[in-house]
Amino acid sequence: AQSVTQLDSQVPVFEEAPVELRCNYSSSVSVYLFWYVQYPNQGLQLLLKYLSGSTLVKGINGFEAEFNKSQTSFHLRKPSVHISDTAEYFCAVSVGGGADGLTFGKGTHLIIQP
Amino acid sequence: DVKVTQSSRYLVKRTGEKVFLECVQDMDHENMFWYRQDPGLGLRLIYFSYDVKMKEKGDIPEGYSVSREKKERFSLILESASTNQTSMYLCASTSQGNTGELFFGEGSRLTVL
Repeated sequence: AQSVTQLDSQVPVFEEAPVELRCNYSSSVSVYLFWYVQYPNQGLQLLLKYLSGSTLVKGINGFEAEFNKSQTSFHLRKPSVHISDTAEYFCAVSVGGGADGLTFGKGTHLIIQP
Repeated sequence: DVKVTQSSRYLVKRTGEKVFLECVQDMDHENMFWYRQDPGLGLRLIYFSYDVKMKEKGDIPEGYSVSREKKERFSLILESASTNQTSMYLCASTSQGNTGELFFGEGSRLTVL
C-alpha cells in the first residue's frame, strides 16, 4: 500500500518570502502525484499534478513542484508568497489510475505573516 | 463549469439521529468518494463507488453506509450519529481510466451534539 508523509504540520512564512512544503511518499509501483489547496471553509482545489515527463511541474497561483524518484519526494515551492496563500495544502498519491481514490498526507498549514 | 455539489454546508444533529449527506456531480463521472477530514489526520476515505448500486469500503467505514441509486448522486448515511462523527465530510468524483485526479465539493461540516 502507498502512503504520504508531509513533514511539517505548520509552516509560518513572511509575506514575499519563498516557501517549500515537503512531501514524501512510499509506493512499490509507479505513482501519480498531486498537490491540493484548501482555503478556509472550502473544498479542495487542484494546484498541480505530476503524471509523467518533466520532473518540474508548474501549477496555478505561481506554485511549482519537483518530482524526485530517487528520494521519493514531491516538494511544493513558491518563490514569493502572498497573504492570500494562507491555506491548508495536501499532498496526495494515486496508484494504477486512482480507481480506489487518492491517498492523502495529513496536510500542511501555510501561515503567511505580514 | 463542472461541479460537485454537496447539499448541506453546515448541519447540527443530535446523538442517535439519522443523517443523510447528499452529493451530486454533473461531470458524468463513474467513480465517487466520501472522505472525512479532521485536524491533524488529513483526509480519510470512508466509502467509494465505481458504478450505480456498487460500493466499496474505504479505510474507515464503521458507522457509515452509502447509497448510489443514480450515476450522478452518492449519499453518505449515518444510521445513528455519535459525537465522534463530528467532522468535515468531503465528496469527490473522477472518471474511470483517469489519473486519479479528484474533483471535490465544498464540504459538509457536521456537528453532533
